[in-house]
Amino acid sequence: DAGVIQSPRHEVTEMGQEVTLRCKPISGHDYLFWYRQTMMRGLELLIYFNNNVPIDDSGMPEDRFSAKMPNASFSTLKIQPSEPRDSAVYFCASSLRSGGADTQYFGPGTRLTVL
Amino acid sequence: GNSVTQMEGPVTLSEEAFLTINCTYTATGYPSLFWYVQYPGEGLQLLLKATKADDKGSNKGFEATYRKETTSFHLEKGSVQVSDSAVYFCALRDRNFNKFYFGSGTKLNVKP
Repeated sequence: DAGVIQSPRHEVTEMGQEVTLRCKPISGHDYLFWYRQTMMRGLELLIYFNNNVPIDDSGMPEDRFSAKMPNASFSTLKIQPSEPRDSAVYFCASSLRSGGADTQYFGPGTRLTVL
Repeated sequence: GNSVTQMEGPVTLSEEAFLTINCTYTATGYPSLFWYVQYPGEGLQLLLKATKADDKGSNKGFEATYRKETTSFHLEKGSVQVSDSAVYFCALRDRNFNKFYFGSGTKLNVKP
């Protein structure tokens, strides 16, 4: 299994530009999570999906952020317009609900720099 | 509500020293507990887990025991190596919503 795939691995953009991050979860997994990691705030859950449906988006910082999951094998996190304070590493993770033993599998992350 | 508290780092040890990283949790219901490890420039990787009280998770010489009476899940290793240098995250999973709650992470530096 290829694991969780994220693209791009690095993104540098200018303030005001639209940024789209992409994630392909592990095949067969029914949960997908988006996290943001910064030195100041640590690891924050932004949103998660179950069977392609958003379950909890309470961690999405503001309306500039949006996430979609059009099918079981693809999700996007979009920031429009981007701001310097959005600079962080964004992780996607997936899991399969199987009773008490569920484990989240993380992708390698996208390092976003907004100038 | 659910939350995880872990000791602040960084923790600096010499090779072959004994490691303990403390983790306590607050949870509604009966969560599963996890330790994840993050190496520089990489995503988080599962290190070990425990799904019920008194379970012991173990992997690569690391161990942690699910203690319901003290709401703790401390990570231990008898003899650390330089290659163990990383950031360690304690986490719990809310069974009802399959939502994970992570601690703030503890950076471990192991010196030769």
